[in-house]
Amino acid sequence: DAGVIQSPRHEVTEMGQEVTLRCKPISGHNSLFWYRQTMMRGLELLIYFNNNVPIDDSGMPEDRFSAKMPNASFSTLKIQPSEPRDSAVYFCASSLTGGRSYEQYFGPGTRLTVT
Amino acid sequence: ILNVEQSPQSLHVQEGDSTNFTCSFPSSNFYALHWYRWETAKSPEALFVMTLNGDEKKKGRISATLNTKEGYSYLYIKGSQPEDSATYLCAPYLNTDKLIFGTGTRLQVFP
Repeated sequence: DAGVIQSPRHEVTEMGQEVTLRCKPISGHNSLFWYRQTMMRGLELLIYFNNNVPIDDSGMPEDRFSAKMPNASFSTLKIQPSEPRDSAVYFCASSLTGGRSYEQYFGPGTRLTVT
Repeated sequence: ILNVEQSPQSLHVQEGDSTNFTCSFPSSNFYALHWYRWETAKSPEALFVMTLNGDEKKKGRISATLNTKEGYSYLYIKGSQPEDSATYLCAPYLNTDKLIFGTGTRLQVFP
C-alpha cells in the first residue's frame, strides 16, 4: 500500500500565480481531508469530502481557495491567485469513512512558498 | 471557540525515563479522541482512537487513557527512547463533525 500520495512535495511560486496541489487517497478510503499547517494556527482543516462530495468547507480561508474531488482516487486544492500568506505545508489525509472513530492517514505534505 | 489544550508544550527527558502528557477538551458533545505522533519532516501518524469514557489503549510502550466526563486524556510513554522524539497531537471529535487538533506536546528524548 503506497499510502496517501501528494504532489508536488515542494512548490515555490510568485504572488498572483495559480497553484494546484494534488492528492491520491488510499484505495478504498471514502473520506478525504485537506489540512494546512502554519506556525500560528497549527494544523487546521480546510475542507473534507465524503464519497467525493464536499461535506464541510468552512475552513477554506476565502474564495481564492477551491477544492475538487472528481473521483474516488484524486483530489485537487487550488489557490488562485496565490498570496505570500498562503505559504504553509498542506496535508491531505484519507480515512475509511468520515466518521469519528476512524483514524486518518496523512500524506507527506506539500510545502508551498509564495514569494 | 472550541479549546483543545495540550500540556506541557515541550518536554525534554533522558532515555529510560517515563513520561506523560495531557490533552484537555470540551466534554460536551464528545464523540471520540484521536492521538497522533508527528516526527519532524514527516506527516502525522495515528496512535489511538478512543471513544468510551474510561477507555485505555496501549501500543508497545505507549498507552493512553480517556475521561470524557471531565474532558481529558493522558498519554504515557514508558521507558522513553530517542526514537520516541516527536510532537504528540491530540484531536477530539466533537459536534463540529471534524477533528480539532491541539497544538501538541513536543517530546525530545536524549540518549
